Amino acid sequence: AQSVTQLGSHVSVSEGALVLLRCNYSSSVPPYLFWYVQYPNQGLQLLLKYTTGATLVKGINGFEAEFKKSETSFHLTKPSAHMSDAAEYFCAVTPNQAGTALIFGKGTTLSVSS
Amino acid sequence: EAGVTQFPSHSVIEKGQTVTLRCDPISGHDNLYWYRRVMGKEIKFLLHFVKESKQDESGMPNNRFLAERTGGTYSTLKVQPAELEDSGVYFCASRSLEQVPYNEQFFGPGTRLTVL
Repeated sequence: AQSVTQLGSHVSVSEGALVLLRCNYSSSVPPYLFWYVQYPNQGLQLLLKYTTGATLVKGINGFEAEFKKSETSFHLTKPSAHMSDAAEYFCAVTPNQAGTALIFGKGTTLSVSS
Repeated sequence: EAGVTQFPSHSVIEKGQTVTLRCDPISGHDNLYWYRRVMGKEIKFLLHFVKESKQDESGMPNNRFLAERTGGTYSTLKVQPAELEDSGVYFCASRSLEQVPYNEQFFGPGTRLTVL
């Protein structure tokens, strides 16, 4: 069975500081990995995804994540936080089969202070 | 291109009543998914349609939940009778078959259901 653990339900950073949101997964098969973001009153938006190939994945809004198989991790980073990054972030995993459901972590709320 | 839409955005009902949630996927998306997030918990899968057929309904909590997708376009999720523990945010997502193998699902804004 697959599962996702997001360490820290809330993360607070100052504007301009590094953002690091942690995600660890368990999977018995090679996974596809995703980060979604939810801004207030909006749906989940895909930030980035890892399927195959390069393990460092770049997404929208300056975010990136690195798939580390040995650590079963897919941490999300951004070098410099903006106020507009304040949102809830979800890590998700699915077996590398088309059409299967996503398994989500509990989410991490990112707060950015000026 | 319009995204996934859900109606209503909020619903407040009393225990024992019936509620129907609606999801309109992105036009042409054959795959449609329902998920639910109970407060403080993770987003959990409920079921998956491919066109009008239920591909996987392993996440449906019990027989008080009924999902339909007549004609393979929009979908409804009915809760009857509603219980307190059904409160949460219900998300719908859609995905095109042509996106294989990336499996990207596009999510709607969700329906917040409160059962009193």
